[in-house]
Amino acid sequence: TQLLEQSPQFLSIQEGENLTVYCNSSSVFSSLQWYRQEPGEGPVLLVTVVTGGEVKKLKRLTFQFGDARKDSSLHITAAQPGDTGLYLCAGAAGGGSNYKLTFGKGTLLTVNP
Amino acid sequence: ETGVTQSPTHLIKTRGQQVTLRCSSQSGHNTVSWYQQALGQGPQFIFQYYREEENGRGNFPPRFSGLQFPNYSSELNVNALELDDSALYLCASSPGASSYNEQFFGPGTRLTVL
Repeated sequence: TQLLEQSPQFLSIQEGENLTVYCNSSSVFSSLQWYRQEPGEGPVLLVTVVTGGEVKKLKRLTFQFGDARKDSSLHITAAQPGDTGLYLCAGAAGGGSNYKLTFGKGTLLTVNP
Repeated sequence: ETGVTQSPTHLIKTRGQQVTLRCSSQSGHNTVSWYQQALGQGPQFIFQYYREEENGRGNFPPRFSGLQFPNYSSELNVNALELDDSALYLCASSPGASSYNEQFFGPGTRLTVL
């Protein structure tokens, strides 16, 4: 069974601070996705990383896929209250199980004004 | 373009009852995946339907079953409800079965089992 561990589980910071969220596994994933989920809504895809060592930027968000494709990080620069939400990482196993996403438990981020 | 919709929004049932949840996929999408998200947890994969056939299944018992219709909308049925079935049930539609295709999630159905 593939597992994704996210840390920290909860994070409360002030507007303007930087933060990093981690997603770790002992398993290799063919791709890894990051989602943000707000209360009462389904997750919304932020990014997909596929290649080991890949770095993608989305405005103030920077995503990195580990060289061995077992871990990933999300870094937010100058956080704003609008960044508040549950951040989820999800991995795809590849091969015959390529249809299935395994999600971490999520990091609940609160950005205070 | 209409997004993914789910009905009902909220549902309360008692142990032993049966429930049917519905999902309308986004236009042009032929794949629907269902997830269970317990409080404080990430979504857990239940199963996926691709062109009306079950394409893969997670670690859920047979009392969780589903259907996909010719218009690619889908139903999730749960029999003999247990207290632990209380959760947010999410469906996601995508233009293909591979995880490389972006999945678009609906807002979910909140099921409470008493």
